[in-house]
Amino acid sequence: DQQVKQNSPSLSVQEGRISILNCDYTNSMFDYFLWYKKYPAEGPTFLISISSIKDKNEDGRFTVFLNKSAKHLSLHIVPSQPGDSAVYFCAASASNDYKLSFGAGTTVTVRA
Amino acid sequence: EAGVAQSPRYKIIEKRQSVAFWCNPISGHATLYWYQQILGQGPKLLIQFQNNGVVDDSQLPKDRFSAERLKGVDSTLKIQPAKLEDSAVYLCASSLAGGGVDTQYFGPGTRLTVL
Repeated sequence: DQQVKQNSPSLSVQEGRISILNCDYTNSMFDYFLWYKKYPAEGPTFLISISSIKDKNEDGRFTVFLNKSAKHLSLHIVPSQPGDSAVYFCAASASNDYKLSFGAGTTVTVRA
Repeated sequence: EAGVAQSPRYKIIEKRQSVAFWCNPISGHATLYWYQQILGQGPKLLIQFQNNGVVDDSQLPKDRFSAERLKGVDSTLKIQPAKLEDSAVYLCASSLAGGGVDTQYFGPGTRLTVL
């Protein structure tokens, strides 16, 4: 069963605007959440993470928001740049085993 | 610092043949992971090693897949015999310790096509 879901397979945004990527999870034991970014023919690279004790974490242009009651997190990219065009994976883990469960990914295309 | 190395990058085989993938993790990383990523899906953990011991292989199809990490450094993943549904990208990742919120660093992957 898929415990982490990214319901939007793709997103197109204009350069300079905000990109918002969404992720939902079903396992209430998940307490650590990550976003990975993947370019074609490369492996995923870690982007940003958030612990369940927080509801927001910011790193430069990237901010992750966590809504535990809704079992929902989102990644905001502001402003979007052409180099942000990639596939973004949401992942989650529980502190009892730390195994990562990944969503199916969202392909972001930033238009000039 | 060198990243996670994987070879080959691409492999095409016919069903029922065997294939092996190699991974060299980042130097000093105790934990090594093998993931399978089928087109349109996220990576799925197949096996996790801590040094040269298996931590989790619950999602490894053991009737056809095997993996080893001799000497606690590099690792090989083997499929024998391959099926059409094994077509996927096989990703290797490593992390420093493997406990807690440890960042995993991924290699470029091996794209396997089974005809």
